[in-house]
This record gives sequence, C-alpha cells and structure tokens, in this order.
Amino acid sequence: DAKTTQPTSMDCAEGRAANLPCNHSTISGNEYVYWYRQIHSQGPQYIIHGLKNNETNEMASLIITEDRKSSTLILPHATLRDTAVYYCIAANTGNQFYFGTGTSLTVIP
Amino acid sequence: GAVVSQHPSWVICKSGTSVKIECRSLDFQATTMFWYRQFPKQSLMLMATSNEGSKATYEQGVEKDKFLINHASLTLSTLTVTSAHPEDSSFYICSASIVAGTANNQPQHFGDGTRLSIL
Repeated sequence: DAKTTQPTSMDCAEGRAANLPCNHSTISGNEYVYWYRQIHSQGPQYIIHGLKNNETNEMASLIITEDRKSSTLILPHATLRDTAVYYCIAANTGNQFYFGTGTSLTVIP
Repeated sequence: GAVVSQHPSWVICKSGTSVKIECRSLDFQATTMFWYRQFPKQSLMLMATSNEGSKATYEQGVEKDKFLINHASLTLSTLTVTSAHPEDSSFYICSASIVAGTANNQPQHFGDGTRLSIL
C-alpha cells in the first residue's frame, strides 16, 4: 500500500472550511484514497473515499489531483465537534490499512 | 448501516490471565476483519488480518501465539491476548470489510475499541 504524509497539526476557526492535505505520491492505479477521523478513545470514523474523481457526501468533500499524487479533504463548515485526528490512507478495497500519523485538527471557537 | 461492535469496551485484569475480545459486524457480512493496536498518542498499528474460515495473517513483529485470532463466521472475529502482561495494555480496535463481490468499493468499518489494562 502507498505511504501517505500529512501535516502533524492544523487549526481552523469554527464555521470556516477546514482543508486537510494528504500526499500519496506512490499511489498505484487501483488504490483508493480513504479518509477517517478519530476522536479521543473511539474507533476511527469513516468520512469519505475516492479513486480519481472528486467526491462529496454529507460530511465532507474529497478533491483528488489529476495525477492522483495528492488529495484534500474539505470540511465545509467546521464545528467544535470536528476536532479530531484525521487519517488519509491509500489502499486497495478490502486490503490492509497502514495508518500514518494523521493530522490533529483543532477547531477554534 | 455498516456497524461494527466490539466487546468488552474496557477490561482490567491481572497479569498472566488471558483476555478475549469480540468483534461483530451487526448488519453486514464480513469476509475480512482486521485487528489493530494503538498506544497512547500514537497511530493505529495493524496487528493481523483475519479471513473467515482460515488462519489469520500476522504483521511482522506480532506474536501469533500471543495474540490468537479466530474468525469462525462472517459476522464474528475474536482476539485472545494470552498470558497478558502490563506491556500488553493498549487500545485494541477491530475493523471489517463487506463481503467482496456483494458491494464493491466499500470502506472498512471500525469498532469503538477495547481498552485493555493489565495490572
């Protein structure tokens, strides 16, 4: 599975959009980009995933660059409950996930 | 949908005892389940991949005789920490993938974890 790199931490003002980048320059053609978040002492929560097209659901949007070497998770209107560690993972469907260190997002009132 | 339940959510036991953790997919069938361990302020570390009806595949450095995994049905996998010691204290998390072929392109769904403390 491709390795991903993310900034260690980010802050975002409440109500503003939170843009979380992820680099996956070694991603292979059939690997998806998955985003999860983990709030303290809970299991990771699925957010969104995509292959090459941009995706949107009720939680977030996922923008994947044309060369697929990087992506950005967008939380359109961050709330205090979005404070969490966000993980970006590149993997084949049904295959093992190898978690990186993730981005600790703090939403500031 | 796609709920994964873990039990117990926390357990405290004496050194030397064995502890069993259950992972169930409540509303879907899971060909594959995964077990992770997470130490404080660290990321999740994959321990093993569990396939229904076959032996688990362990990641390098994970002792298979120490962490026994059974995946007897499409909705249940168990992790048994044998002869647990204080250094086994950690947050154990499972995840499950929907049966291949029934729903392509599905993400893993995670349980809420089991906090294990060995005294």
